[in-house]
Amino acid sequence: DTGVSQNPRHKITKRGQNVTFRCDPISEHNRLYWYRQTLGQGPEFLTYFQNEAQLEKSRLLSDRFSAERPKGSFSTLEIQRTEQGDSAMYLCASRSRDSSEKLFFGSGTQLSVL
Amino acid sequence: QKEVEQDPGPLSVPEGAIVSLNCTYSNSAFQYFMWYRQYSRKGPELLMYTYSSGNKEDGRFTAQVDKSSKYISLFIRDSQPSDSATYLCAKGGNFGNEKLTFGTGTRLTIIP
Repeated sequence: DTGVSQNPRHKITKRGQNVTFRCDPISEHNRLYWYRQTLGQGPEFLTYFQNEAQLEKSRLLSDRFSAERPKGSFSTLEIQRTEQGDSAMYLCASRSRDSSEKLFFGSGTQLSVL
Repeated sequence: QKEVEQDPGPLSVPEGAIVSLNCTYSNSAFQYFMWYRQYSRKGPELLMYTYSSGNKEDGRFTAQVDKSSKYISLFIRDSQPSDSATYLCAKGGNFGNEKLTFGTGTRLTIIP
């Protein structure tokens, strides 16, 4: 499978715990995005990387959230001190530099905070 | 007011019918428009994109954009049960703005 890969697919955690998600984009894509989607809503932009540089962050990304893409390949999204309101599907997407409209999404990580 | 408004449905139509899905937007500073399809527990999948007003056709799917009224539509001809999914409209910003803004999605069911 050469698509965008996300792990884990599901994560159940207790409030206050830290969680980390991983995204492996399509190999030749230098742009990587994180979105969050809650039930009955469309995806909401969280942050964006061009290679290893994090170039934009949404106001949705509180200081409990941190994202990295250390070598310009895979990315991680960490949520510290999880809250019940963090429960959502976290989607990763990638695209190549010359194709602004063709954003490819992974299947997401479904987070449930109890 | 949300930047992108989309009727969440649900919408149920019989197999073979023509489906019309619609969105409106409030900000004129958008360069391109997309429709995504999302199956349950899956990520969104790009169906169509367009930069300009008018129609763009791809097989059974037609995307229509009217920038003067800020209205975008997706038509599905000869609808099939496999078309049952949530359809999301999205808009891209000015060049250099990487963020996509999505509608809430319309849940569509095609009844065999």
